[in-house]
Amino acid sequence: GAVVSQHPSRVICKSGTSVKIECRSLDFQATTMFWYRQFPKKSLMLMATSNEGSKATYEQGVEKDKFLINHASLTLSTLTVTSAHPEDSSFYICSARDLRGEQYFGPGTRLTVT
Amino acid sequence: DAKTTQPPSMDCAEGRAANLPCNHSTISGNEYVYWYRQIHSQGPQYIIHGLKNNETNEMASLIITEDRKSSTLILPHATLRDTAVYYCIVRVAGGNAGNMLTFGGGTRLMVKP
Repeated sequence: GAVVSQHPSRVICKSGTSVKIECRSLDFQATTMFWYRQFPKKSLMLMATSNEGSKATYEQGVEKDKFLINHASLTLSTLTVTSAHPEDSSFYICSARDLRGEQYFGPGTRLTVT
Repeated sequence: DAKTTQPPSMDCAEGRAANLPCNHSTISGNEYVYWYRQIHSQGPQYIIHGLKNNETNEMASLIITEDRKSSTLILPHATLRDTAVYYCIVRVAGGNAGNMLTFGGGTRLMVKP
């Protein structure tokens, strides 16, 4: 099946710094990628939809200037958490959609902001 | 608005069948029923999906009622590694913008020895 990777798998950063998370579709092209956030014992919440070559579409309540998304190629999308704070600590999961419309998920990135 | 309703948790004995129900009474004619599961600290894993016919693969079986208002995911012989949160999602298939997967609360299945 289709494979989606994320890097890093876990990261610890200090408050005020920025962190970049990469999402790659390894064996298929993804014109659309999605970024989700998940807090402990909660379900996945969609943050934004990332379209290759255009600006991301953010869900209500998600700050676009804080969560910068870049989808520069058909196999790579990045999420940058700018000026991270402890409340940004969460599990971030990306998903890539193939040309048939099926979505495949990455393994997730656990961000801890100290 | 939640499009599916699932029990928050279920227990199952190891080796027995796990039957996970899902209600989707407002499902549209062009919407499929998808099942994903999420093992702790991992990304969601695709299990199975169907439109109106029952489906079976190496992981599970999906039984959809004739009126399509509910479905049941069946794990025929649950193992401890099947302990996870199982999500039932309805969505239109295809590559159209806007038909992303939206997750509800899911069912936390605990398989016990």
